[in-house]
Amino acid sequence: GAVVSQHPSRVICKSGTSVKIECRSLDFQATTMFWYRQFPKQSLMLMATSNEGSKATYEQGVEKDKFLINHASLTLSTLTVTSAHPEDSSFYICSAESRLDEQFFGPGTRLTVL
Amino acid sequence: GNSVTQMEGPVTLSEEAFLTINCTYTATGYPSLFWYVQYPGEGLQLLLKATKADDKGSNKGFEATYRKETTSFHLEKGSVQVSDSAVYFCALKAGGTSYGKLTFGQGTILTVHP
Repeated sequence: GAVVSQHPSRVICKSGTSVKIECRSLDFQATTMFWYRQFPKQSLMLMATSNEGSKATYEQGVEKDKFLINHASLTLSTLTVTSAHPEDSSFYICSAESRLDEQFFGPGTRLTVL
Repeated sequence: GNSVTQMEGPVTLSEEAFLTINCTYTATGYPSLFWYVQYPGEGLQLLLKATKADDKGSNKGFEATYRKETTSFHLEKGSVQVSDSAVYFCALKAGGTSYGKLTFGQGTILTVHP
């Protein structure tokens, strides 16, 4: 089946620093990738839709300048959390959409901001 | 807007017991419905789906029927195994301007004891 990877799987950073998370579709091309945030014991919340070669579409309430998304190729999208603060600590999950309109999910990245 | 409501967990069962996890939805138009499973330490995996009313999705002994009249998509399995222990998410994908976006329920933790 299709595989989506995320890197890093865990990251701990100091408040005020920026963190970049990569999402890669390993064996298929994805024109659309999605970024989600998952709080403990809660559901996935869609943050933004990332389209290759164009600007990301953010969901209401998600700060564009804080969560920078770049989808530079058909197999890579990145999420950069800028000037991270403790309230940004969360589990971030990406998914990549195949040509058959099915979404494949990455294993997630646990971000802890001290 | 679109929303998905799952029965609250956690659900704890003995091996070979019957499983039902309720899921109801609110959506405009005719959404596609999904069940995803998240095993410990892994990303979400598609378990089954149904794209129109009265369709039954099935996989690995799990089944769910798209009931438009009750706006439900309950997950069932006749005999659970310890290996079924995971978090289960009901989700919908609406059409129109929400194309491609998945809306998730809050997730239900299932624990199966030997």
